[in-house]
Amino acid sequence: AQSVTQLGSHVSVSEGALVLLRCNYSSSVPPYLFWYVQYPNQGLQLLLKYTTGATLVKGINGFEAEFKKSETSFHLTKPSAHMSDAAEYFCAVTEGSVNQFYFGTGTSLTVIP
Amino acid sequence: NAGVTQTPKFRVLKTGQSMTLLCAQDMNHEYMYWYRQDPGMGLRLIHYSVGEGTTAKGEVPDGYNVSRLKKQNFLLGLESAAPSQTSVYFCASSPQDYGYTFGSGTRLTVV
Repeated sequence: AQSVTQLGSHVSVSEGALVLLRCNYSSSVPPYLFWYVQYPNQGLQLLLKYTTGATLVKGINGFEAEFKKSETSFHLTKPSAHMSDAAEYFCAVTEGSVNQFYFGTGTSLTVIP
Repeated sequence: NAGVTQTPKFRVLKTGQSMTLLCAQDMNHEYMYWYRQDPGMGLRLIHYSVGEGTTAKGEVPDGYNVSRLKKQNFLLGLESAAPSQTSVYFCASSPQDYGYTFGSGTRLTVV
């Protein structure tokens, strides 16, 4: 069975500091992995996704994530946080079935001026 | 702008009342979904559709019904609302590559 664990429901970073949001997954087959961002009172927006190929994936707004099979991880990073990055971030996993797409419980990112 | 539109954005229901949430997409996506979002639980799939005229149950389908009579529309119905259905509901659509596009949500309170 698939599952997603996001470590840390709240993360605070200073403006300009490294952003690291953690995501670990469990899957019996090579998964597809995703990061979404949700701004207040809005829907989720796709940041980036890994399906096959290069394990380092670049997304929008300067974010990137690396698929590490040995660690079953797909952590999201950004070198320098901006105030506009404050939002809720969700990791998601699927093994390829449209009805088996699981979201983590989310990490709320606060950026301190 | 192209995207997913949900109506209404807010609604308060009394226990036992019924309502329908409408989702419309103009991207010609085959797949459409209804999720609910609850604090500390992430998003959970209620029902989904892989094409016009087809629907299927997701993880938490009880108490909800759906219909997809037209490709661009996906309706979520609550026949007899319960307080446990207080939540934020999101509709999403995608082509077959999991590039989900989400609506902005419907905040439903059942009292």
